[in-house]
Amino acid sequence: AQSVAQPEDQVNVAEGNPLTVKCTYSVSGNPYLFWYVQYPNRGLQFLLKYITGDNLVKGSYGFEAEFNKSQTSFHLKKPSALVSDSALYFCAVTPLQGFQKLVFGTGTRLLVSP
Amino acid sequence: EAGVAQSPRYKIIEKRQSVAFWCNPISGHATLYWYQQILGQGPKLLIQFQNNGVVDDSQLPKDRFSAERLKGVDSTLKIQPAKLEDSAVYLCASSLESQGTQYFGPGTRLLVL
Repeated sequence: AQSVAQPEDQVNVAEGNPLTVKCTYSVSGNPYLFWYVQYPNRGLQFLLKYITGDNLVKGSYGFEAEFNKSQTSFHLKKPSALVSDSALYFCAVTPLQGFQKLVFGTGTRLLVSP
Repeated sequence: EAGVAQSPRYKIIEKRQSVAFWCNPISGHATLYWYQQILGQGPKLLIQFQNNGVVDDSQLPKDRFSAERLKGVDSTLKIQPAKLEDSAVYLCASSLESQGTQYFGPGTRLLVL
């Protein structure tokens, strides 16, 4: 069965600095990977996804993610963090082929300080 | 385009009572999902519908939870009777097709006392 690990409960970064939120995954076959963001008392908002092709995926609000097959990782990145990026971030995976449910990680809280 | 709508936003009930949540997906989305998100955890899929048929309900506690999507559009999730451990946020999501990008509603926060 597929699984996701987000090793950091919280990431702290100063505004203007680059940020990275880590995600590693386990799946049979090729992965279909997602990042979602959750603001307080809100549902999850889609940021970006990787299916195939270029290993660097660009998404909403200046976020991007780098797919690394050998390390089974899909880390979320942003060159310059904003205070408004402070939120809960979830990585999710499902196999590209065949029906399997989307499995989410436990989430990483990003705190951007002014 | 309008997003996924859910109601109510908040609900407080006592254990052993029943509760129902409603979801209206994005227009034209064939696939509808219900997730349970317990505090400090990621969302866990309870049930997935493709049009009005159930695709996956393997993690739905069927002795107390039920869901329907009668006309292939909106859906209702019911809990009867509720337990303390059902306190969570219940998220509805929809996608154009199975395995497509899922778009989430704001969720219903349930507190069982």
